[in-house]
Amino acid sequence: SQTIHQWPATLVQPVGSPLSLECTVEGTSNPNLYWYRQAAGRGLQLLFYSVGIGQISSEVPQNLSASRPQDRQFILSSKKLLLSDSGFYLCAWSDRYEQYFGPGTRLTVT
Amino acid sequence: AQSVSQHNHHVILSEAASLELGCNYSYGGTVNLFWYVQYPGQHLQLLLKYFSGDPLVKGIKGFEAEFIKSKFSFNLRKPSVQWSDTAEYFCAVNLVHNAGNMLTFGGGTRLMVKP
Repeated sequence: SQTIHQWPATLVQPVGSPLSLECTVEGTSNPNLYWYRQAAGRGLQLLFYSVGIGQISSEVPQNLSASRPQDRQFILSSKKLLLSDSGFYLCAWSDRYEQYFGPGTRLTVT
Repeated sequence: AQSVSQHNHHVILSEAASLELGCNYSYGGTVNLFWYVQYPGQHLQLLLKYFSGDPLVKGIKGFEAEFIKSKFSFNLRKPSVQWSDTAEYFCAVNLVHNAGNMLTFGGGTRLMVKP
């Protein structure tokens, strides 16, 4: 069966520091991968999606970037965090029919 | 722009009350529709989905949703809620044949069921 992992589960970082969040998927090959940010009362905002290795599409302009160095690995990064980057970040993968979500990372920028 | 609206941001019900959560979308093409649920401390998980066929779909835990194409709506219902239904509920839509299988989510509805 397929599983999706995200780490770390929680992270507290100072403003201006770099960020790297990792997401890996097991049990499937060539999945579509997604990064979302979840903010209270605002639902899930799609940040990036990828349909293959090295293929990244950005949905909103922001301080973040994404990379897909391997088929089942998706990384969310920032060179310098802003206070507004605080939030709950979810990774997801999809087959043809639905998306499956990871446990999320709670990021607090101080 | 394409969007999904959930008009109820917070809902408080007593156990055994009936539930209906609204979801409206603004897409011009053929869509797939989803309801996801996030229980406290748990992953976001699929509650039910509609792709085609019978517009009344049944999901897990006694939930159902009805797709009304003329109203661009996909409301979630449950005849009798339980305390364990306390969670946040998200409606989501994607356009059929979109290359990335991307979902657009509504803002979510926080449901609290009082015992």
